[in-house]
Amino acid sequence: QVQLQQWGAGLLKPSETLSLTCAVYGGSFSAYYWTWNWIRQPPGKGLEWIGEINHRGSTDYNPSLKSRVTISLDTSKNQFSLKLNSVTAADTAVYYCARLREVEATFIYYYYMDVWGKGTTVTVS
Amino acid sequence: SSELTQDPAVSVALGQTVRITCQGDSLRSYYASWYQQKPGQAPVVVIYGKNNRPSGIPDRFSGSSSGNTASLTITGAQAEDEADYYCNSRDSSGNHRIFGGGTKLTVL
Repeated sequence: QVQLQQWGAGLLKPSETLSLTCAVYGGSFSAYYWTWNWIRQPPGKGLEWIGEINHRGSTDYNPSLKSRVTISLDTSKNQFSLKLNSVTAADTAVYYCARLREVEATFIYYYYMDVWGKGTTVTVS
Repeated sequence: SSELTQDPAVSVALGQTVRITCQGDSLRSYYASWYQQKPGQAPVVVIYGKNNRPSGIPDRFSGSSSGNTASLTITGAQAEDEADYYCNSRDSSGNHRIFGGGTKLTVL
């Protein structure tokens, strides 16, 4: 049973850098059909996709956050990380890490986030 | 604004059928996945692809897609289905993932 355990600083001041790490336990980390994602949820609001990194280290980011976001991989530790710089109060949210799974069925590809971390509350104040 | 549009709130009587929709141009090319989120918890996938349920998801949950609209149907809604539901797919450029704004389901 794969589990994602995430951690990082929960209270930041404006202009500081948010740094979170997500560790993968109980399963392979480097399969080609998995991509590692970060998602956030401001208080009382919906989910916002932040970005992802695949097993080769290729990244994709939400265009609205791209200038401030870096997602990286440490395959030796089965971990991936999120850095968001120059934070403001608008970055206050619960941050989740999640595994995106690719499934192929008769040349059609499906994608879904099948494993999630418990979430880390980050407050910028 | 979100490029995947969901109704903010939907209600259903206990035991009845409810459909939650997600609209967006990208859905003409990409399948959506659907997530259930209860207060204080991480989201859980309930439907992905054409109409696939992960292990452990009750068969009262089903999915469909037509044109620019993806739908999640709950047939015989239960009290425990009361939650927020989010669709996820690609944005209109096809280059990035995006979530719909979410639908709050109330079971009466």
